[in-house]
Amino acid sequence: AQSVTQLDSQVPVFEEAPVELRCNYSSSVSVYLFWYVQYPNQGLQLLLKYLSGSTLVKGINGFEAEFNKSQTSFHLRKPSVHISDTAEYFCAVRRGQGAQKLVFGQGTRLTINP
Amino acid sequence: DAGVTQSPTHLIKTRGQQVTLRCSPKSGHDTVSWYQQALGQGPQFIFQYYEEEERQRGNFPDRFSGHQFPNYSSELNVNALLLGDSALYLCASSWAPSGGWGEQFFGPGTRLTVL
Repeated sequence: AQSVTQLDSQVPVFEEAPVELRCNYSSSVSVYLFWYVQYPNQGLQLLLKYLSGSTLVKGINGFEAEFNKSQTSFHLRKPSVHISDTAEYFCAVRRGQGAQKLVFGQGTRLTINP
Repeated sequence: DAGVTQSPTHLIKTRGQQVTLRCSPKSGHDTVSWYQQALGQGPQFIFQYYEEEERQRGNFPDRFSGHQFPNYSSELNVNALLLGDSALYLCASSWAPSGGWGEQFFGPGTRLTVL
């Protein structure tokens, strides 16, 4: 079975500062990895995904993530955040083949201070 | 393209009642998955429907059941509601060509409150 651990429940940063949201996963099989964002009172929006190939993945809104197989990590980064990035961020894993069930982490609340 | 739509937006029920939530998938999608997101938690997979059959199920009791219609829309039914069923219920649709993977697109969710 797969599991996801998001190491920080809350991350406060100042506007225009860089940010990293940490995600570790465990799985005995190959997996696909995802980051989703959830704005208040809304559903989930896909930020980026890793399926295969280059370990550095670029997504929407200036976010990127790096897949590290040896450390079983998939940390999300942005070099300069904006007030509009304030939201809940979820890391998720899916088994590489077969069913599409997503397993989510507990989420990280990113708060941007002016 | 309307994307994934869910109804109703909010719902208040009392313990022991039954509830039905509805989901219309994104145009061109044939697979619907349901997730439960309790307050302050990540979404948890309930089940997935494809070709009108439940294809995969998470660790939820039989009180949770579903259905998929020929037009690919889906319903989630919860019987004998408990206080702990209060949550945001998310529907996600995707396209699964030949059993392969497809990105899941999420709807805005239905907020269920059980009193």
